[in-house]
Parts: sequence; C-alpha cells; structure tokens
Amino acid sequence: GAGVSQSPSNKVTEKGKDVELRCDPISGHTALYWYRQSLGQGLEFLIYFQGNSAPDKSGLPSDRFSAERTGGSVSTLTIQRTQQEDSAVYLCASSTRSRLAGPHTDTQYFGPGTRLTVL
Amino acid sequence: QKEVEQDPGPLSVPEGAIVSLNCTYSNSAFQYFMWYRQYSRKGPELLMYTYSSGNKEDGRFTAQVDKSSKYISLFIRDSQPSDSATYLCAMSAISSGAGSYQLTFGKGTKLSVIP
Repeated sequence: GAGVSQSPSNKVTEKGKDVELRCDPISGHTALYWYRQSLGQGLEFLIYFQGNSAPDKSGLPSDRFSAERTGGSVSTLTIQRTQQEDSAVYLCASSTRSRLAGPHTDTQYFGPGTRLTVL
Repeated sequence: QKEVEQDPGPLSVPEGAIVSLNCTYSNSAFQYFMWYRQYSRKGPELLMYTYSSGNKEDGRFTAQVDKSSKYISLFIRDSQPSDSATYLCAMSAISSGAGSYQLTFGKGTKLSVIP
C-alpha cells in the first residue's frame, strides 16, 4: 500500500521567506508526527497530532514554526521568516496509535522527507 | 549529557562479519526501544522494536535491551553490502491517554559493509 508521502522533496529558499511543507500520512493512521534531521543534531521531535486532541507542540524550536492538520489527514508544517539554521531534512511519520492498546501500536512509518536549504 | 548517546561511527566491516551497534540512555522513563535503518536520502524504516529487557531475534538481526544498565544493542549476523546504511536507535516513554509517544533518537551510526 501507499506509504507516507511528503512534498516537495527539495526546497531551496532565501533567508526571511516563508515555506510550507506537506505530509500525506498513511490512510487510516490517526497519529502524525513531524521531526527534523540536521547534521550533527540527529532526529528531533517537533510536533504530534492525534485525532481531535490538541497537538503536542513541545518540540517546536520557536514561534516561527507552526503546523496544522486538516480533516485528520494531511498536515502542513510552516516555517516563517526562515533562517539558515532551519536548513535540515523535515520528516513526517504516521502511526495507527491506539490509546487503549499501548505503545506497540505506535510503530511510526516515516516519509522520505523534505530537504530544506535556506540560503 | 544527551538523553540518548550513540557512536556515530563511521563503522566499516567486511562482508559476513558480525556487527554490533549500541546506544546508552539516561532517562529511566524510556520503556519502548526501536532500531531504524536509514538509507541515504530516504526516511528511516523500522527494523525492530521491543519493550522489555532481553533479546529479540528477527532473521539476521538481534535486538538486546538491558534496562538495568540503560544500554541497548543491535547485532547483525552475516552482514551484507545491502546492510550499508545509517542505523538509528530510538526510544520513547509510555504515556497515558492521548499523550505523545514521541521518539528520542540517537544520532545514528553509519555502517559500510565491504564486499
């Protein structure tokens, strides 16, 4: 079946511009995560959506970062006034995540990522 | 001290060798442990997961967790050139309700298996 898809695969932007990154999770997956992978820092959690619950935004590095998930499916990560330190690969993951069944249902499946370069 | 420490390598071994990859962690709340494999320019793919101490085997791969030492390992037997990738350990704390099972990752170990 189709996996997690992300677009664009590559994005080059100028410092100070806004960018939008898109994630299409696996159909039927209720949980959606955004992570950032940068050289020397590894993979860092950014934000988590689960159903209609308020998102967990604890990983967002600044108020320039925001994300939304419409209709419980597609998610958009927006970075305003981009800075050079925002250059990284932004990865999206989804899972079936059952609150009752426990963490083994939260096997996260990752998309290929969006490589963002801020000049 | 970072919550999860992983030697970034790079690690280079001959084909057929046994590979040992390791991570240590400091947060005793971590209960769920995973190994992901990431090929160049691809997203991470789950190899193995476990949520108990001990060993778990899947083909040529064995995951080992020692909670008392806060140490996890991944062993690859009869390594193949196709195993060449970056291996990431990841872990999460169990939370109740609709809480996030966000993963905390090691930085990854880059492995090259030489034919």
